[in-house]
Amino acid sequence: NAGVTQTPKFRILKIGQSMTLQCTQDMNHNYMYWYRQDPGMGLKLIYYSVGAGITDKGEVPNGYNVSRSTTEDFPLRLELAAPSQTSVYFCASSYSGRPNEKLFFGSGTQLSVL
Amino acid sequence: QKEVEQNSGPLSVPEGAIASLNCTYSDRVSQSFFWYRQYSGKSPELIMSIYSNGDKEDGRFTAQLNKASQYVSLLIRDSQPSDSATYLCAATFNQFYFGTGTSLTVIP
Repeated sequence: NAGVTQTPKFRILKIGQSMTLQCTQDMNHNYMYWYRQDPGMGLKLIYYSVGAGITDKGEVPNGYNVSRSTTEDFPLRLELAAPSQTSVYFCASSYSGRPNEKLFFGSGTQLSVL
Repeated sequence: QKEVEQNSGPLSVPEGAIASLNCTYSDRVSQSFFWYRQYSGKSPELIMSIYSNGDKEDGRFTAQLNKASQYVSLLIRDSQPSDSATYLCAATFNQFYFGTGTSLTVIP
C-alpha cells in the first residue's frame, strides 16, 4: 500500500509565487493534517480536516489554504509565498482522530522561498 | 508554557548503553502520549504510545508516564548506532502537540 503520498519532494519558490502541495492517502482515513517543521523545531499544525468538505485551522494557518473535496486528497495552497514559509511540510492522516490513534506521515516536502 | 517540552540535546551515548529521553507536558494535553523517531531528512515514525501511568515495554524501548508529575520518558536499552535520530514527544488534547525533539547520537 502507498499510505500517504506527498508531492513534490522539493520545491523552490520566489517571493510572491503560489503553489499547491499535494497529499493523497489510500487508507480510507477520515482525518488528514498538514504540519510544518522548521529546523530544530517540532511539528506545528497548519490545517486539518475531519472528512470531505470539512476543514479547520490549526496553530499556524496564516498564509495557507486547504480544501478537502474527497476523502483521499487534502491539498495545501500557498497563495503569496514568503521567506517565512520556508520549511519542511508533512501531510499526515489517521482513521478517526481519536486521541490514542497514531498518525501516518507522508515523506515530506522541502520548500524554500527565496 | 508550551504544551510539550523536551530537552533538545544533543544527547550522546556509547553503543550498548541506556539512552534516556525526557518530556514534560502542560495540563491541556493529558490524554495520550507518543514517541516518534525521525531520521534526518525523513518523516516521523511512531515507536511507542502510552496512555496510563506506569511503564510500557516494547523490545528495547520502554515508555514511562507519570501523570502526577506531568512527565513522560523513553528509555532505549542496548543502544545501537541505528538508534541515532531525533526523538519527538507528542501529546494529544483534541489535536497532537509535538515537542521540539531530542537529537540522540549513539557512538560505536
